[in-house]
Amino acid sequence: GAGVSQSPSNKVTEKGKDVELRCDPISGHTALYWYRQRLGQGLEFLIYFQGNSAPDKSGLPSDRFSAERTGESVSTLTIQRTQQEDSAVYLCASRLAGGTDTQYFGPGTRLTVL
Amino acid sequence: QQQVKQSPQSLIVQKGGISIINCAYENTAFDYFPWYQQFPGKGPALLIAIRPDVSEKKEGRFTISFNKSAKQFSLHIMDSQPGDSATYFCAARAAGNKLTFGGGTRVLVKP
Repeated sequence: GAGVSQSPSNKVTEKGKDVELRCDPISGHTALYWYRQRLGQGLEFLIYFQGNSAPDKSGLPSDRFSAERTGESVSTLTIQRTQQEDSAVYLCASRLAGGTDTQYFGPGTRLTVL
Repeated sequence: QQQVKQSPQSLIVQKGGISIINCAYENTAFDYFPWYQQFPGKGPALLIAIRPDVSEKKEGRFTISFNKSAKQFSLHIMDSQPGDSATYFCAARAAGNKLTFGGGTRVLVKP
């Protein structure tokens, strides 16, 4: 079946602009995660959605970052007033809840802030 | 605070050799330790995982060794192949199924 998809694959923006990144999880996966991967570094947790529970926003680096999820489907990560340090690959992962551990990652969106 | 430390940052091994990557953690609440493999331009993909009640897990050429008392775990890639050239990340899971990742190891297998 289809895996996790993300769009756009690449995004170049100017400093100060807002950007929206989209994630389509695997159908039926109730858990959804966003991570940030800076060049040559590991993944940093940003936010976690699980069903109808309040999202875990503990990894968001500033109030310029926000994310939404509609039910158990699409999620969007919004970065307002982008800064050059926001340049990174933003990865989305989904997981079939109910005792399963594996997170399945999308290909990521490479964000470049000029 | 970096909760999972991974070493080395890069590794070059000859085809047929053994690649060894080490990780150390601090948080004793971690209860699941996966390894992910990432190729350029792709998202990470789960390779193999272990729980702390097991000291070793093997899947094909990939083996995780886990030392709970030392709070360390490692990935061994036996009979390394050029197709194994990738970046490998260890991770650890705490509450909420959030993963904390190590910094990654870039492995290059020379033919």
